[in-house]
Amino acid sequence: EPEVTQTPSHQVTQMGQEVILRCVPISNHLYFYWYRQILGQKVEFLVSFYNNEISEKSEIFDDQFSVERPDGSNFTLKIRSTKLEDSAMYFCASSESVVERDTGELFFGEGSRLTVL
Amino acid sequence: DAKTTQPTSMDCAEGRAANLPCNHSTISGNEYVYWYRQIHSQGPQYIIHGLKNNETNEMASLIITEDRKSSTLILPHATLRDTAVYYCIVCYSGNTPLVFGKGTRLSVIA
Repeated sequence: EPEVTQTPSHQVTQMGQEVILRCVPISNHLYFYWYRQILGQKVEFLVSFYNNEISEKSEIFDDQFSVERPDGSNFTLKIRSTKLEDSAMYFCASSESVVERDTGELFFGEGSRLTVL
Repeated sequence: DAKTTQPTSMDCAEGRAANLPCNHSTISGNEYVYWYRQIHSQGPQYIIHGLKNNETNEMASLIITEDRKSSTLILPHATLRDTAVYYCIVCYSGNTPLVFGKGTRLSVIA
């Protein structure tokens, strides 16, 4: 069964460092998302991406964050200068845009745990 | 903010049906009800969704009241592997970003 894969599974970084989290969405999917979940808290939407541009973003997704689809397969989340409060599990998701079916089902990866020291 | 209200936690005996309620009294006519679950710290997993009619798939059944102000997710024969946090989410279909609430923590007990 096709799945969304994320790397790394766990990254530890120093405050102020840049971090890039990588995701390989399901191959025929067209919509891509990043969510995060701080330990013990809700899953929070960060950004959605379609047709090589951001579709929607939340208040969390400030200038420190950026997303990119550098090639036909990868979808990345970059945090320019990490802060302690960026420590969280980051989930990538993708969905197929099939208008006639219009299921809106999101497929999530297993997450990348970011620890900022 | 999430537009749904769910109990914080529930227990269910293994092999019995788990019925998870959700209130969404402010749902609009074009909004769907989606259910996802999150097992431990894994990525959320889609379960089922519906608009007006009851729906069933290999995982669960979704019962939506006629006024659409509430719904119930039914796991017909709960197993220990169904222990998870279950999220009821109301949103427009297509690719609208999901807004997760706190969900219901379901514990299936042997």
